[in-house]
Amino acid sequence: QSALTQSPSASGSPGQSVTMSCTGSSSDVGGYKYVSWYQQHPGKAPKLMIYDVTKRPSGVPDRFSGSKSGNTASLTVSGLQAEDEADYYCSSYEGTNNFDVVFGGGTKLTVL
Amino acid sequence: QVHLQESGPGRVKPSETLSLTCTVSGASITSYYWSWIRQPPGKGLEWIGYIYYSGSTNYNPSLKSRVTISLDTSKKLFSLRLTSMTAADTAVYYCARGATYSDYWGQGTLVTVSS
Repeated sequence: QSALTQSPSASGSPGQSVTMSCTGSSSDVGGYKYVSWYQQHPGKAPKLMIYDVTKRPSGVPDRFSGSKSGNTASLTVSGLQAEDEADYYCSSYEGTNNFDVVFGGGTKLTVL
Repeated sequence: QVHLQESGPGRVKPSETLSLTCTVSGASITSYYWSWIRQPPGKGLEWIGYIYYSGSTNYNPSLKSRVTISLDTSKKLFSLRLTSMTAADTAVYYCARGATYSDYWGQGTLVTVSS
């Protein structure tokens, strides 16, 4: 079971859009519609932002959107705001053996 | 309002067994998957395992030999047991609702392995 690959950092200015990627394999990201994204501010528990690749939980701004192409999933944050600065983690089901769960290493998003 | 709360020791000694519980309120414990996830200081999230109300479980292969997750429906809680603790197990441990995705999380509890 290998961790999903995320770029360590991303940045953008207020009002801009930024896209963060999450690369796995056909056994996880590419094989299932079970990719989720979490936002984590320092000292806080993760917050679900996107599930099932593209779905947004109630209360999450529509500035956050998810997509997937092949073995890579993406989280796009449009109209960046200062409060979007946080760590973002992707997660996927991994079906090599049982239905395990695997996380990415996280991307630190900085709002310039 | 769904609320999850972890409880357990903040410190365990090397080679000892960690036992944590997660108390669930505002949701039926018999209707969802329930997960444990941890985060070493300054590092990323690591999935530990999940349990369904039926009692079926699935664990991270790297921890499988040391992990047990159980459920007590009468008390509306689920538990984590991790044996043979080492310094590498020092982390914030979170309980959460769900398996494919986790929509509610506890606040997390820091467990330090130290003699």
